[in-house]
Amino acid sequence: AQSVTQLDSQVPVFEEAPVELRCNYSSSVSVYLFWYVQYPNQGLQLLLKYLSGSTLVKGINGFEAEFNKSQTSFHLRKPSVHISDTAEYFCAVSPISSGSARQLTFGSGTQLTVLP
Amino acid sequence: EAGVVQSPRYKIIEKKQPVAFWCNPISGHNTLYWYRQNLGQGPELLIRYENEEAVDDSQLPKDRFSAERLKGVDSTLKIQPAELGDSAVYLCASSTHRDLSSYNEQFFGPGTRLTVL
Repeated sequence: AQSVTQLDSQVPVFEEAPVELRCNYSSSVSVYLFWYVQYPNQGLQLLLKYLSGSTLVKGINGFEAEFNKSQTSFHLRKPSVHISDTAEYFCAVSPISSGSARQLTFGSGTQLTVLP
Repeated sequence: EAGVVQSPRYKIIEKKQPVAFWCNPISGHNTLYWYRQNLGQGPELLIRYENEEAVDDSQLPKDRFSAERLKGVDSTLKIQPAELGDSAVYLCASSTHRDLSSYNEQFFGPGTRLTVL
């Protein structure tokens, strides 16, 4: 089984400041890793994913994340946030053995609030 | 391309009443998922369909929840009777998995927010 821990439930940050949202996972097998964003009253949208290869992955809206296998982490970063980045962010994993990421396990989410 | 469509978007019912949610996946997507998202939590899988077959329903509370996916396209999730603890957002997602060895993104609908009074 897999589990995902998002260490911060809420992260307030001022506009144009950098931000890091932390994610740690636990799994006995190799996993794919994901970050999703959820805007109010909307479904989840894929922000970025790590499947293989370079451990630094870039996503939409200027976000990037780095996979650290030894620390079992997949932290999300953005160098300069905008008001429009205010949303809930979810980290998720899926065992590679499941094939095609059909078994997603989500963390409890981090509410990012960008202040003017 | 149209996304995953869900209806209704909001539903308020009294406890012990039945309720049903409907999902229309992206055209051509053979895999459909129902998730429940409790307040302040991430989504949790309830059931996964491959075409019309339910292949993973281990987290579906079968005493009161049921689901169907007729003809492998639209799906309905039903709760009967609803309890106070069923208040949550119910998300539907779909993906295509014709190649099981490669990654295929899950696309999520906007969800149905259920409030049980």
